Amino acid sequence: AQSVSQHNHHVILSEAASLELGCNYSYGGTVNLFWYVQYPGQHLQLLLKYFSGDPLVKGIKGFEAEFIKSKFSFNLRKPSVQWSDTAEYFCAVTSRNNNDMRFGAGTRLTVKP
Amino acid sequence: DVKVTQSSRYLVKRTGEKVFLECVQDMDHENMFWYRQDPGLGLRLIYFSYDVKMKEKGDIPEGYSVSREKKERFSLILESASTNQTSMYLCASSVGTGLYEQYFGPGTRLTVT
Repeated sequence: AQSVSQHNHHVILSEAASLELGCNYSYGGTVNLFWYVQYPGQHLQLLLKYFSGDPLVKGIKGFEAEFIKSKFSFNLRKPSVQWSDTAEYFCAVTSRNNNDMRFGAGTRLTVKP
Repeated sequence: DVKVTQSSRYLVKRTGEKVFLECVQDMDHENMFWYRQDPGLGLRLIYFSYDVKMKEKGDIPEGYSVSREKKERFSLILESASTNQTSMYLCASSVGTGLYEQYFGPGTRLTVT
């Protein structure tokens, strides 16, 4: 069964610092990859997704992620974080023809002003 | 905008009670999902439904059942609530299989005492 690992449980950064959140998955077939964000008190919303094509995917609010197939990774990046990026971030994976979406445990990001 | 609504934001129930959590989506989506979200564990799939009256077990179906009598509505039932079912419950919907993102409701925080 597919699984997702997010190695950072809690990341604390100062404003303007660069961000990289790790995500690794285990699945041998073709996958679709997602990053979701949950701001305090709000519902989960999609940041970005990868299905095929350019492995560097750009999402909302200046976030991007890079799919590295050989490493089974889909790390999330942002060059300069803001206090408003404080949230919990979830990586998720589905297989191409499957309804199951598997989520990582989440990474809590705290950005200090 | 896709809207997924859940019947309650907060719910407190006693051990042994039967609990109903309701979810409604307004975008004619085929697929609907129930997850529970626990700190450090991310989102875990309880059940999903890909059509009216159809359901599939997720990773943690024990102690839960579901009902989908109409396309827009997906109910989660705790047959006999227990304290280890205290959690945040999230409903989601999607238009199709793995290629498609899921849209989430605001969640129901259930406390079982």
